[in-house]
Amino acid sequence: AQTVTQSQPEMSVQEAETVTLSCTYDTSESNYYLFWYKQPPSRQMILVIRQEAYKQQNATENRFSVNFQKAAKSFSLKISDSQLGDTAMYFCAFMIPLGAGGTSYGKLTFGQGTILTVHP
Amino acid sequence: EAGVAQSPRYKIIEKRQSVAFWCNPISGHATLYWYQQILGQGPKLLIQFQNNGVVDDSQLPKDRFSAERLKGVDSTLKIQPAKLEDSAVYLCASSLVLGTDTQYFGPGTRLTVL
Repeated sequence: AQTVTQSQPEMSVQEAETVTLSCTYDTSESNYYLFWYKQPPSRQMILVIRQEAYKQQNATENRFSVNFQKAAKSFSLKISDSQLGDTAMYFCAFMIPLGAGGTSYGKLTFGQGTILTVHP
Repeated sequence: EAGVAQSPRYKIIEKRQSVAFWCNPISGHATLYWYQQILGQGPKLLIQFQNNGVVDDSQLPKDRFSAERLKGVDSTLKIQPAKLEDSAVYLCASSLVLGTDTQYFGPGTRLTVL
């Protein structure tokens, strides 16, 4: 079974600064996807960034980037130039893709989440 | 493009009552997921459908929970009878194809069981 661990229950950062959220996971699979989702207080879960495990290059999306360390099973999210609208719960999630075997493909396994507060 | 729609947004019921949630996925998305999110935790998958067939319902408490997606489009999740521990947000998500595509989430239904 796959597990995802987010060791920081809460983080805070000043507006315009940079913050890094940590995530580690455990799996015996070699092919998988990793995601960071954002859940603002309104509750709508929004995709922030996605990384395929077979890609060595770290994914980036504007101010959001990841540090993917496959051997260490680590997947951290860096938010640059933090904005007030970044305040939310952030979830790290893991998925086994179709074709990897078994019947658990397509299912997202989430971590416990990190509450990020951006202060003005 | 319209997102995943869910209703109702909020529901309060007494324990042992029944409740149903509705989800309409993004148009053209073959795969639909129901997740349960207990306060302070990450979502947990209850059931996933590919068109109108069940792919995985191993985490669905089948003695009280049921779900259907009869025409392969919208879906209903039912709880009968509800327990106090069912208080949670129920999230619906959809993806274009199973197993490789990004999942897009609806706004969720917050259920409170008294």
